[in-house]
Amino acid sequence: AQSVTQPDIHITVSEGASLELRCNYSYGATPYLFWYVQSPGQGLQLLLKYFSGDTLVQGIKGFEAEFKRSQSSFNLRKPSVHWSDAAEYFCAVGAGQAGTALIFGKGTTLSVSS
Amino acid sequence: IAGITQAPTSQILAAGRRMTLRCTQDMRHNAMYWYRQDLGLGLRLIHYSNTAGTTGKGEVPDGYSVSRANTDDFPLTLASAVPSQTSVYFCASSEGQGKTQYFGPGTRLLVL
Repeated sequence: AQSVTQPDIHITVSEGASLELRCNYSYGATPYLFWYVQSPGQGLQLLLKYFSGDTLVQGIKGFEAEFKRSQSSFNLRKPSVHWSDAAEYFCAVGAGQAGTALIFGKGTTLSVSS
Repeated sequence: IAGITQAPTSQILAAGRRMTLRCTQDMRHNAMYWYRQDLGLGLRLIHYSNTAGTTGKGEVPDGYSVSRANTDDFPLTLASAVPSQTSVYFCASSEGQGKTQYFGPGTRLLVL
């Protein structure tokens, strides 16, 4: 069965420091992979997505993610974190057999310290 | 462009009552979804619809029903609410398989 694991429940980084959020997936075929961000009390906003092609994907707000098939990973990175990046981040994989539904990880909460 | 709207924004509901959460999209997307979000569990799919007139069950469908009479609307009904259905409910839509899903602002439901 398809699944997504985000190993880190909560991460705190200093403003200006680099960030990497981990995501591992289990999926039988070539996956569609997504990163979403959710600010408190808000809905989910798409940061970036990978369908095929270049394994390094650029997203909004300066985020990028790299698809590594050999490691079944799709880690999210940002070179310099801003205080406004504090939010919850969700990795998701496309579950083709259930239509176009997504399977989400349980999320990683990012706190940014000054 | 409104995207996806959900109503109500929040609701307190007595156990045993019937409740319909509304979801409307104006993007003419074929596929629509309902998720519930619970602390520590992430988002879990309740029901989905690939096109108008069709629906399917997701990971946690028990106690919920949906209908898709047209492209734009995808209401979620709780026939007899129970406290375990206290959650934040998100509606989403996409153009089709593998396409990006766009989320509504959510409905916060408290069942007492």
